[in-house]
Amino acid sequence: DQQVKQNSPSLSVQEGRISILNCDYTNSMFDYFLWYKKYPAEGPTFLISISSIKDKNEDGRFTVFLNKSAKHLSLHIVPSQPGDSAVYFCAVGNYGGSQGNLIFGKGTKLSVKP
Amino acid sequence: SQTIHQWPATLVQPVGSPLSLECTVEGTSNPNLYWYRQAAGRGLQLLFYSVGIGQISSEVPQNLSASRPQDRQFILSSKKLLLSDSGFYLCAWSAGTYGYTFGSGTRLTVV
Repeated sequence: DQQVKQNSPSLSVQEGRISILNCDYTNSMFDYFLWYKKYPAEGPTFLISISSIKDKNEDGRFTVFLNKSAKHLSLHIVPSQPGDSAVYFCAVGNYGGSQGNLIFGKGTKLSVKP
Repeated sequence: SQTIHQWPATLVQPVGSPLSLECTVEGTSNPNLYWYRQAAGRGLQLLFYSVGIGQISSEVPQNLSASRPQDRQFILSSKKLLLSDSGFYLCAWSAGTYGYTFGSGTRLTVV
């Protein structure tokens, strides 16, 4: 059973508009949430994270929102750029935890069209 | 600064042949090390993780094994590859708190 779900395998957005990627998790014990970005034939790179004590974290064009009651997080990219085209993975875990505690979703492929 | 090296970048191997993928980390001590596989439509699947030399935990039963002969070296192996072993293999390390840093990956094609 999937503990982390990214229900949209793909998303297409026009350049300059907002991209919203969604992620749902099942276990309320998770308290650390991350987004990774992956280009083809490369390893994922860390993008942004949020801990459960916050409901929003912003870094430039990227904002992560956390709704703990709904067990839902989302990544907003504003404005979207063609270079943002990649697969985005959400990951959940426990802050300060150890070995193998990050669980990844299946990813959402974002295409930003010029 | 910490860096992670993973090689080779691409590999084409016949069915039944052995496999050895290597991953090394620099600039940190006693990292947690991980092997992931990304297969089409499957996302990132954790295969093995290690919290120290000689300590390996397996997440998924499979045709693969892992070893950690040194603190900053993690090896993924197979004695006989299957077609289903094809995929994109990723090594990662963490200090346990701030998430993972991934290597550049190995594209394995079993033919």
